[in-house]
Amino acid sequence: RKEVEQDPGPFNVPEGATVAFNCTYSNSASQSFFWYRQDCRKEPKLLMSVYSSGNEDGRFTAQLNRASQYISLLIRDSKLSDSATYLCVVNIMKNYGQNFVFGPGTRLSVLP
Amino acid sequence: DAGITQSPRHKVTETGTPVTLRCHQTENHRYMYWYRQDPGHGLRLIHYSYGVKDTDKGEVSDGYSVSRSKTEDFLLTLESATSSQTSVYFCAITEGTTGNTIYFGEGSWLTVV
Repeated sequence: RKEVEQDPGPFNVPEGATVAFNCTYSNSASQSFFWYRQDCRKEPKLLMSVYSSGNEDGRFTAQLNRASQYISLLIRDSKLSDSATYLCVVNIMKNYGQNFVFGPGTRLSVLP
Repeated sequence: DAGITQSPRHKVTETGTPVTLRCHQTENHRYMYWYRQDPGHGLRLIHYSYGVKDTDKGEVSDGYSVSRSKTEDFLLTLESATSSQTSVYFCAITEGTTGNTIYFGEGSWLTVV
């Protein structure tokens, strides 16, 4: 079983739709959680951190369920510019630095 | 912008030749990382560094070596490139001594023919 698993995708949705991404992780020692966005042939960029209480940034809402080891990202009123691959990332502290484990990503295409 | 520059950005090389990729950062970050990204595998850690001359192996370190002689530079070397090392390579940093957010350079696309 992979350490971080995501919906395989791709997701093709019309503009204005609401889309949800799901992610599960296997290591209960995971301490920090993130969603990254990666455009084609670009580097991953931080979209938002995910907190236990859930957090929102404009049209984006992230949720964390530690008991179920589950993370979600909801995008409301999707825009053409939201088209990208979304990576779920968990972080486990080590003696030196951190161990970031990346999911394989879910590709989103928002269609006009 | 985390001040990370990778070079070269694109390179084609022949099997068996050595290749060095350079990661340069301008903000004195302690931790630096090299990842490769391949379809179906996502991002995988090759090596990381927690200070000058302090490095350790990641998940997929075979065939790669690294060096960090200065805080600002982290070099990744493929001693004898193979076709399986065709990939996009990302350098990354984490901020501060306990920073838990990772930031990436723009990537280096390497093709081994």
